[in-house]
Amino acid sequence: DSGVTQTPKHLITATGQRVTLRCSPRSGDLSVYWYQQSLDQGLQFLIQYYNGEERAKGNILERFSAQQFPDLHSELNLSSLELGDSALYFCASSVARTGPNYGYTFGSGTRLTVV
Amino acid sequence: GQNIDQPTEMTATEGAIVQINCTYQTSGFNGLFWYQQHAGEAPTFLSYNVLDGLEEKGRFSSFLSRSKGYSYLLLKELQMKDSASYLCAVRDRAGQGGKLIFGQGTELSVKP
Repeated sequence: DSGVTQTPKHLITATGQRVTLRCSPRSGDLSVYWYQQSLDQGLQFLIQYYNGEERAKGNILERFSAQQFPDLHSELNLSSLELGDSALYFCASSVARTGPNYGYTFGSGTRLTVV
Repeated sequence: GQNIDQPTEMTATEGAIVQINCTYQTSGFNGLFWYQQHAGEAPTFLSYNVLDGLEEKGRFSSFLSRSKGYSYLLLKELQMKDSASYLCAVRDRAGQGGKLIFGQGTELSVKP
């Protein structure tokens, strides 16, 4: 157990629907990162939150949004789902204060299948 | 732009040594990470380099040359369980805004 908790582990839904993926970071970590990994693709950075505020944005579609709550858990909302959104979605957390750190810890991921 | 290149696939023999190369061109640099990922599982941290040189950690070593934008991961005494994808990642900034940018990963197959 990495300490980063993602739910649900698996999700099957139809095109056009909306889903919410949840991530609880490791205790003490203030930063949450969301990544998408499609079949045979690398990890694509979507968005980062630090202590409730958005800090960095990658190639995240307008149909996708995220937020980080006061208790530091984060949710990734995916709407108007398309077949191409089928992927593994990973959350990672880190302390992300100053200085070097090794603390990018990944959750076990949510496998989303859009049918 | 951000560009991280690594070979797509490699094959090696059990007990041998394999070197996985990674070259990067990123707008910022604050450290290079190597992760191991088994199919369908979460990436797990292997090594971290921020200064030039070699970092050794048991059977795994990682090297960095910042001037050349180059790193490699060296795996010794290969075991069957080392069959996995190896991901090279660059942290683009220090502190709160830094994120990891990943290469496509190198799929390593270890044969008996």
